[in-house]
Parts: sequence; C-alpha cells; structure tokens
Amino acid sequence: DTGVSQNPRHKITKRGQNVTFRCDPISEHNRLYWYRQTLGQGPEFLTYFQNEAQLEKSRLLSDRFSAERPKGSFSTLEIQRTEQGDSAMYLCASSLTVQIQETQYFGPGTRLLVL
Amino acid sequence: GNSVTQMEGPVTLSEEAFLTINCTYTATGYPSLFWYVQYPGEGLQLLLKATKADDKGSNKGFEATYRKETTSFHLEKGSVQVSDSAVYFCALIGGSYIPTFGRGTSLIVHP
Repeated sequence: DTGVSQNPRHKITKRGQNVTFRCDPISEHNRLYWYRQTLGQGPEFLTYFQNEAQLEKSRLLSDRFSAERPKGSFSTLEIQRTEQGDSAMYLCASSLTVQIQETQYFGPGTRLLVL
Repeated sequence: GNSVTQMEGPVTLSEEAFLTINCTYTATGYPSLFWYVQYPGEGLQLLLKATKADDKGSNKGFEATYRKETTSFHLEKGSVQVSDSAVYFCALIGGSYIPTFGRGTSLIVHP
C-alpha cells in the first residue's frame, strides 16, 4: 500500500489551455473524491466516484471540468480552457466503504497555476 | 446544510505550551467528526476521528472529544512541539458521504 498518488505535482499553464491531472487511489478503495483547495481555505468538494460511477458533482464543477474513472481504479480530472480563477491545489482522496462514514485518505495534491 | 466553524488563526505558541483549537459544527443526524493536518506543501493527513457522541479520538498526543450537546470537537494537546506547526482542519461526514471541511487553523510553534 503506497497511499494515494497524484501527478503531476505542479502544473503551470497559460490561460485557455487544457490540463489533465491523474489520481491513483489506494488499490482496494472503491471511492475516489476530487477537491479544490485555495489559499487559506479548506478543501471544497468537486465530485466523487464509487467504482467507475460518478455519483455526485458539486455546483463548483463547471462544464469546463470533467472527471473520469474508467475502470474503477485511477481517475483523471480535466480542465478545459483554463482561467486564472482555476489556479488552486487539486486534491484527490480515496476510501473504502465499509460503513457510511468512512475515512478518506488524501494524496499530496496537484498545484495548478494559470498565467 | 452541514457546516464546520473553526477558530481563526494563526495560533502562535511556545514549545511545550497547551494547545486548544476550537471546532463547532452544524449537521443533521449523527455525523462522524475528523481532524486532519496539512504540513507545508503536502496533502491532508488524518490525525484523529470520532464516530459517535462522547467518543474521544486520539493520536500523537492530540485528543478531541465528540460533544453532541455543544456540537463541538475541539482539538487539544498538552505539550506542543515545533514539529506540530501545520494547518489543522476540522471536518464532518454525514449521511451524504460528502465531507464538509472547516477553513483550517494555522498553528505556529516557536522553540
């Protein structure tokens, strides 16, 4: 068990470009969450998957954002036509649903800077 | 909806001082409560949790007790170290599986 990993750790892009982030959860975990965190704030929920099904999306997730988890293992988060306001830390977390209120384990995050 | 309120930081202490970081919550039902810690440049790490009223979570000298009557989950440590300097997040998970986090409280411990 190597924990949750995220790639890349840092991304600098120009406004209008597309970016894609990857999250590899803990291997037996069936739930995967994406969050956005800006400076001085707690993580804000974006979306989550149970296995390959995307079960909920936040209103924060505009139509420029899309997430996938095609085989119920790793997940990708794509942002199209990036804007400066997208600059943030994007966090991934995974959990094993053995009860309704499970513990989430976080990855180190991908820090995005949009110039 | 659910919400978590934490005391504003930064909290600045000398080494070996007593720490309290206040956290109160609003939620329907019986949420689980968590404290996470975030060191500079890293993701969040689970510090401790409590899943029902009067439970006490503890880890690495930190403690928090789930107080349903006051809807609180204050974090305490008897003697802080410089290495405890980090940002601490209080969070809850209710029946929707979607966690709600507080804004975080920065702790700075001086030698």
